[in-house]
Amino acid sequence: DSGVTQTPKHLITATGQRVTLRCSPRSGDLSVYWYQQSLDQGLQFLIQYYNGEERAKGNILERFSAQQFPDLHSELNLSSLELGDSALYFCASSSAEVAASSYNEQFFGPGTRLTVL
Amino acid sequence: AQKITQTQPGMFVQEKEAVTLDCTYDTSDPSYGLFWYKQPSSGEMIFLIYQGSYDQQNATEGRYSLNFQKARKSANLVISASQLGDSAMYFCAMREEGYSSASKIIFGSGTRLSIRP
Repeated sequence: DSGVTQTPKHLITATGQRVTLRCSPRSGDLSVYWYQQSLDQGLQFLIQYYNGEERAKGNILERFSAQQFPDLHSELNLSSLELGDSALYFCASSSAEVAASSYNEQFFGPGTRLTVL
Repeated sequence: AQKITQTQPGMFVQEKEAVTLDCTYDTSDPSYGLFWYKQPSSGEMIFLIYQGSYDQQNATEGRYSLNFQKARKSANLVISASQLGDSAMYFCAMREEGYSSASKIIFGSGTRLSIRP
């Protein structure tokens, strides 16, 4: 158990809908990262938040947005869902904002499997 | 641009044998970190081992060791005395760690390792 929790575990929805995925980081971790793992794209970094502020953006679509709340939990919002959005969405957390030549492991949650029908 | 390449989509190994999973990377940043993660069929991402670009010695964690060859830009994972429970997908990942970089991490396409009894 990594200490990172994600809800829900599974989500099935229809095209055009909007869903929210939730992540609680490990106790004490200020950084939260979101990743998408799909069969055709592999594991892709989406976005990172540190202590409530956006820090880095990866291959995140405009239909997707995220935020980190004062209690450090984070939500990933996916709207106007398409079939291709079906994937496993991971949240990870770490203690640091930026690791400059130092160890900074990311701990992954169990993931949310999203199926868009 | 950052790039991680895993050239072995799948491998079969006899139980108790050692196995090497290949990973090459490309980056222009002198400061970076290399990771290996294991993803069993249950889906969670499990951190295995980390190597910093300035580390003088190869990282080791129990049965896992990282064969780091900086000049060749390779970071191969070596698993000694393989066990049935090692059957999983293995991902090599890299993060650039300069002060101007956020902790964005990119993953290779993975190697599916199957251990034969």
